[in-house]
Amino acid sequence: DTEVTQTPKHLVMGMTNKKSLKCEQHMGHRAMYWYKQKAKKPPELMFVYSYEKLSINESVPSRFSPECPNSSLLNLHLHALQPEDSALYLCASSRGGRGFNSPLHFGNGTRLTVT
Amino acid sequence: KNEVEQSPQNLTAQEGEFITINCSYSVGISALHWLQQHPGGGIVSLFMLSSGKKKHGRLIATINIQEKHSSLHITASHPRDSAVYICAAFYSGGGADGLTFGKGTHLIIQP
Repeated sequence: DTEVTQTPKHLVMGMTNKKSLKCEQHMGHRAMYWYKQKAKKPPELMFVYSYEKLSINESVPSRFSPECPNSSLLNLHLHALQPEDSALYLCASSRGGRGFNSPLHFGNGTRLTVT
Repeated sequence: KNEVEQSPQNLTAQEGEFITINCSYSVGISALHWLQQHPGGGIVSLFMLSSGKKKHGRLIATINIQEKHSSLHITASHPRDSAVYICAAFYSGGGADGLTFGKGTHLIIQP
């Protein structure tokens, strides 16, 4: 069982839909991450929240919008996605802030399909 | 440029065999992570190490800082060890999360 909980596990959405992915951890970790993973590729970092402050990866399109309501929750809001955005979206957390080297705890991911 | 190279890319072995997966990195790092990803998608952090050797059950991870090389060993391999194993190097100042990921090693253990 993972200590990072992601919902939903699977999501199918059309290109005009608005949906949100949710992530939750109660380990007191102060850094939370969104990664995107395509098949047979390593995870690619999208966003990092460190002490509830956002570090933006400038290569992420604006149709992805992160939100960190508090230190335990992380959301990823999706709008007007493209079929190429279909992937596994992984949330992770770690003790300490951004750049603090500690073990990552990953969720089981949300498998997103954009039709 | 921060790089992480893993080998082999794919490995198929028989149950009970001793498995070694290798990871090389290009410049000095402060720590190296070994991760395991099962077909369902979830990733588990196996080890984080900066020197020497760590052991957990049948898994052993070693790192040689001078040679910029780390290995993950699995003793008495079992079909449930079948997964993708990913090496990730932590570079201070290396991007927002500091991590550079290898491409992964797809391991299949046949009964």
